[in-house]
Amino acid sequence: GESVGLHLPTLSVQEGDNSIINCAYSNSASDYFIWYKQESGKGPQFIIDIRSNMDKRQGQRVTVLLNKTVKHLSLQIAATQPGDSAVYFCAERDNAGNMLTFGGGTRLMVKP
Amino acid sequence: ETGVTQSPTHLIKTRGQQVTLRCSSQSGHNTVSWYQQALGQGPQFIFQYYREEENGRGNFPPRFSGLQFPNYSSELNVNALELDDSALYLCASSPTGGQAETQYFGPGTRLLVL
Repeated sequence: GESVGLHLPTLSVQEGDNSIINCAYSNSASDYFIWYKQESGKGPQFIIDIRSNMDKRQGQRVTVLLNKTVKHLSLQIAATQPGDSAVYFCAERDNAGNMLTFGGGTRLMVKP
Repeated sequence: ETGVTQSPTHLIKTRGQQVTLRCSSQSGHNTVSWYQQALGQGPQFIFQYYREEENGRGNFPPRFSGLQFPNYSSELNVNALELDDSALYLCASSPTGGQAETQYFGPGTRLLVL
C-alpha cells in the first residue's frame, strides 16, 4: 500500500548547526503533510504542517519544503539546540480520508 | 502540552484478556483518532470517531473497537489480547469540522501483554 518513508534513520548534528530531515512519500493523492517531534516517553508533538498547494512554509526556527514533482518533504531546523534531540516523523493525509500515515521516523541527535 | 489526556499511563495484561483505554480530547475538539505505535516505529492508524460515530478505520481486526461519548471523550477496547498488541496507544484530537487534519496527540498508554 501507500507509505511514507524517511531516507535517514539517524541524524547527528552539532549544536548551532542547521538540520535537514528528509521524507519521501508515495501517495500522489496526499494533500496535507505534517511534521511531528516525539521525545522519549511522550506522544508526538505537532511542529509544522503544509498543504499540497504550497511548496514552502516557515515557522519559528523550522521550515517545511514540499516538492510534489518528486514526492519529497523536508524539515529544516535552524540553529539546532540540544532540546531538539528527538525522533521526527512526517505524516501525510490523502484527500479521500482522515487518517494520517506516518513514516518510520528519524532520530535527531544534537552534539554539544 | 496539547490538553489531550489518556489513562492509564501504563498497563500490563496477559494474553486473552480484554483492555479499555481512555482519552479526553482537547477542549473544543470533536474528533478523536487512535493510533498504535510499536517500539521503534511510526504510529499506525486504528480508527477515528466523529460525532460519536466511527469515521474511518485502518487495517486492524474487529477485536479493536471504540466509543466516543457526547463530551467527545473516547475509549479504545481491545479483546482477546495478543502478544503483538504490546505497544504505545496514542489518542489524537482534532478541531471541529470533522475533517481531521491537524491532530494533537496525548502522552499515550503503554500496554504490555504477557
